[in-house]
Amino acid sequence: KAGVTQTPRYLIKTRGQQVTLSCSPISGHRSVSWYQQTPGQGLQFLFEYFSETQRNKGNFPGRFSGRQFSNSRSEMNVSTLELGDSALYLCASSQDTYTGELFFGEGSRLTVL
Amino acid sequence: AQSVTQLGSHVSVSEGALVLLRCNYSSSVPPYLFWYVQYPNQGLQLLLKYTTGATLVKGINGFEAEFKKSETSFHLTKPSAHMSDAAEYFCAVSDPPQTGANNLFFGTGTRLTVIP
Repeated sequence: KAGVTQTPRYLIKTRGQQVTLSCSPISGHRSVSWYQQTPGQGLQFLFEYFSETQRNKGNFPGRFSGRQFSNSRSEMNVSTLELGDSALYLCASSQDTYTGELFFGEGSRLTVL
Repeated sequence: AQSVTQLGSHVSVSEGALVLLRCNYSSSVPPYLFWYVQYPNQGLQLLLKYTTGATLVKGINGFEAEFKKSETSFHLTKPSAHMSDAAEYFCAVSDPPQTGANNLFFGTGTRLTVIP
């Protein structure tokens, strides 16, 4: 069974630009969560989608948004990039979110110059 | 609100020695607790979890953890360290499903170095 796939793995943007990251969950998993990982703040929850609906959202500004498609694939978008948005963005899928057993992708490393 | 504190951002042990990574949690309700491991340039992998029942839980790669409610702790141990255990370890807590929440709160991580 294929794991969680995230694209692109690495990308470089400049301040003010926007970026879209993609995540394909494990087949059969209907929940997709996104986390931001930085050296200073650690792992922080962004949002979670289940059956195309956002079920939970972390404490991030509105520049961070996401969506989920009918095939459970998810995208997250960050608009008006700031230097502080440089991070590893991790996607995780789960068949049943309430167990907390998340399956993570390898992440998309975003560098904002 | 849920939170996790991991004592020691860096831990070094000799190969074959005991591994002990500390985690204390704060939760207003009985928590679900987890340990995840992250190898360089990879995502996180679940090592073990505690939900209900037996307080000593065993995970992959010989790791285990014990839930101690009185100490609000969930420390991770392994009797004998291997070189392949070198990685970053994250403790996490979530609300139980009855609360309707479904996200994890992670600690800041502990980087484990194994000395040959």
